[in-house]
Amino acid sequence: NAGVTQTPKFQVLKTGQSMTLQCAQDMNHNSMYWYRQDPGMGLRLIYYSASEGTTDKGEVPNGYNVSRLNKREFSLRLESAAPSQTSVYFCASSRTGQNQPQHFGDGTRLSIL
Amino acid sequence: QKEVEQDPGPLSVPEGAIVSLNCTYSNSAFQYFMWYRQYSRKGPELLMYTYSSGNKEDGRFTAQVDKSSKYISLFIRDSQPSDSATYLCAMIDQTGANNLFFGTGTRLTVIP
Repeated sequence: NAGVTQTPKFQVLKTGQSMTLQCAQDMNHNSMYWYRQDPGMGLRLIYYSASEGTTDKGEVPNGYNVSRLNKREFSLRLESAAPSQTSVYFCASSRTGQNQPQHFGDGTRLSIL
Repeated sequence: QKEVEQDPGPLSVPEGAIVSLNCTYSNSAFQYFMWYRQYSRKGPELLMYTYSSGNKEDGRFTAQVDKSSKYISLFIRDSQPSDSATYLCAMIDQTGANNLFFGTGTRLTVIP
């Protein structure tokens, strides 16, 4: 069972470079999410997509853009990477509706020099 | 003040010990509570999911919720070295979208 698949697993960028993180799920979930995880801060929501064709900002959206390409895929783009965006990025998905547990991928470790 | 507070640990226990992990929260709108387990260099994995105040048991794991005190716990009985991981509590706000609010996680090591 693939579940939620994220690519790439690791990436090193220079300040100012752009990058797209890819996420795909095979669980037929309508909702998808992007989080970042930093030491001492826990997981923080960047953007989410409640259904295909919709996206909304989370707690920390600045510096990021997202695209819900289709029901399976939800990408996160850094247009001009900054060192403060060095983090581990997780994608998650869930069924539609409130109170649905989210299922996570294994993350992309991104370092910006 | 964060909406969800969790002691980061680290916590080290001998194999076979009972482990207690805890979170407190301040938002009364949190109604659904989850525990995730995260192994090193992996994504969070859903462990327990509960709504009501009281206890929910699943094998060696028991989730406890006290909404009046805004306090949740995860107990692990007969802890095993394979339980060594970071444990994250998470909560859903009933008033908005299906967004999770996470604690910072407690790192647990079970020593053989």
